[in-house]
Amino acid sequence: DVKVTQSSRYLVKRTGEKVFLECVQDMDHENMFWYRQDPGLGLRLIYFSYDVKMKEKGDIPEGYSVSREKKERFSLILESASTNQTSMYLCASSLPTGMNTEAFFGQGTRLTVV
Amino acid sequence: SQKIEQNSEALNIQEGKTATLTCNYTNYSPAYLQWYRQDPGRGPVFLLLIRENEKEKRKERLKVTFDTTLKQSLFHITASQPADSATYLCLGGSNYQLIWGAGTKLIIKP
Repeated sequence: DVKVTQSSRYLVKRTGEKVFLECVQDMDHENMFWYRQDPGLGLRLIYFSYDVKMKEKGDIPEGYSVSREKKERFSLILESASTNQTSMYLCASSLPTGMNTEAFFGQGTRLTVV
Repeated sequence: SQKIEQNSEALNIQEGKTATLTCNYTNYSPAYLQWYRQDPGRGPVFLLLIRENEKEKRKERLKVTFDTTLKQSLFHITASQPADSATYLCLGGSNYQLIWGAGTKLIIKP
């Protein structure tokens, strides 16, 4: 069974903390994505990566960074957490975009910054 | 700006009827559209993909259409069941651009 696994389902962090969200996929996919999802706004792309050590900014990269040292792992880093980063974070992976295949999502991490 | 729009109001359907959800796109020409299902507190799950040169795709009780003239995709669930209750998301894709709709919540009443 193919899988995208996020390290935590729920996380509570304090303002100013550095936060790491980890994502691992076992499908040997080239593409990996980090989204945040807020009510009424849908999925918004933070960053994506199309290869190891490669990354591209999405629509809302401010306050975030990413790391992809290995093909199966894509990490999202909140450099200094703020309350407006309280959200549901979703990681996804897929084959290269030009093949227009489906995205596989993790179960999500609900992050609360207090 | 480029947009994918879905009805933000929840759709209430009686069990056994056909549910139809709409996805409209503006200032954008997706090469394909995908539909996903999302249950509360979970990540989206892929259901169907339709390409711009296809009019209709089916999978079991699901059917999706792609009308490039109306700039619209319709997603149908026939013989709906309470277990079909979820939020359904539309995704428009072209070579290196993906745009998500905000989703429509579907409620199937017994």
